[in-house]
Amino acid sequence: GAGVSQSPRYKVAKRGQDVALRCDPISGHVSLFWYQQALGQGPEFLTYFQNEAQLDKSGLPSDRFFAERPEGSVSTLKIQRTQQEDSAVYLCASSLGFKAEAFFGQGTRLTVV
Amino acid sequence: GQQVMQIPQYQHVQEGEDFTTYCNSSTTLSNIQWYKQRPGGHPVFLIQLVKSGEVKKQKRLTFQFGEAKKNSSLHITATQTTDVGTYFCAERRAGSYQLTFGKGTKLSVIP
Repeated sequence: GAGVSQSPRYKVAKRGQDVALRCDPISGHVSLFWYQQALGQGPEFLTYFQNEAQLDKSGLPSDRFFAERPEGSVSTLKIQRTQQEDSAVYLCASSLGFKAEAFFGQGTRLTVV
Repeated sequence: GQQVMQIPQYQHVQEGEDFTTYCNSSTTLSNIQWYKQRPGGHPVFLIQLVKSGEVKKQKRLTFQFGEAKKNSSLHITATQTTDVGTYFCAERRAGSYQLTFGKGTKLSVIP
């Protein structure tokens, strides 16, 4: 497709369950970002990949959060042992370079019950 | 945490009125980006400002970067219902990969 694709669009998880969120960036985009957006707030940076290399993971809130981009294209954000405070929209964005215009996906709305 | 402060948090205007949102930082910004997020949607890039005192226009939208590069503004002339959404400024500090977003200004336009 022409844009950034994220799946699933919605995910309901029971507390303690593991979840995996997928991001398909725009083809050829070197840079990939993950953001977390709580209701009524701006997106908060989680992690950054340049191709397959994770160059910044300083925004990941705990060691329950893990992201990978093994072949420099599709990325997966995994959250282990989900907790209620993990409920948010998780946004993926890609760009030609980290300083370039970022294209966001529609996001995955995660609700932990 | 978020480094840029945006005001106001909410703005309700009558269709046809002008609208301005401001982004302020206590430190010098290397650049500033503006995004629009429609209700239920995702952030969409509008513009990037890099130079001190820079002014850019996109139809009814005017973007400005302060002379000291510590503030920025987005002005919409004669708002339309299609302008409804939340406008975010975002800054990337020199040497950082992170784009830090403000909390946004939510614009409502009354027809």
